[in-house]
Amino acid sequence: GESVGLHLPTLSVQEGDNSIINCAYSNSASDYFIWYKQESGKGPQFIIDIRSNMDKRQGQRVTVLLNKTVKHLSLQIAATQPGDSAVYFCAEKGYQKVTFGTGTKLQVIP
Amino acid sequence: NAGVMQNPRHLVRRRGQEARLRCSPMKGHSHVYWYRQLPEEGLKFMVYLQKENIIDESGMPKERFSAEFPKEGPSILRIQQVVRGDSAAYFCASSDVNRKATGELFFGEGSRLTVL
Repeated sequence: GESVGLHLPTLSVQEGDNSIINCAYSNSASDYFIWYKQESGKGPQFIIDIRSNMDKRQGQRVTVLLNKTVKHLSLQIAATQPGDSAVYFCAEKGYQKVTFGTGTKLQVIP
Repeated sequence: NAGVMQNPRHLVRRRGQEARLRCSPMKGHSHVYWYRQLPEEGLKFMVYLQKENIIDESGMPKERFSAEFPKEGPSILRIQQVVRGDSAAYFCASSDVNRKATGELFFGEGSRLTVL
């Protein structure tokens, strides 16, 4: 769903460790789920998507997992780097529009 | 290959004035989306347009807000008689037919509106 007046949860990770960012979605009818990265002062940037009939998809250093049973989506970032510090949003692609969920701020500790 | 261009990047208005935010989509993209973001919050969908058509405006406030995407020129988000609560970052995104199906949007850098 959409965040309403909440401060973003923060995940702090040591550089080089793996990061796991979680997201609960609401619409079972969504046909794609997407992860976006937003750096400070910039617009969101597409990272990876997964179709609703899949449960795992891998990209470069990132893996998205989809569990439709519990309506859960996760983004795994391998060997986290300082440049990964940003806010990460999950999103759902419905019939016409893309709806963003609550973001998670990832802080990478050097 | 220029990305999504938004202007102005920063806009200051006094209460009661009008704000016009412009968005030029990526070349070849005919689908435009507008989102609003408050500090430390997520992106709230406002409107989805194709050339000369509003497809989904379910996120637009009923009054004072309007959007258009004419046959020629940029998409415009217009806010009339602005109030302090309109202060936010407004992001435009574009997509082509194929990427629209998967939800892959290309965002601009946003227009930050401050209402005094």
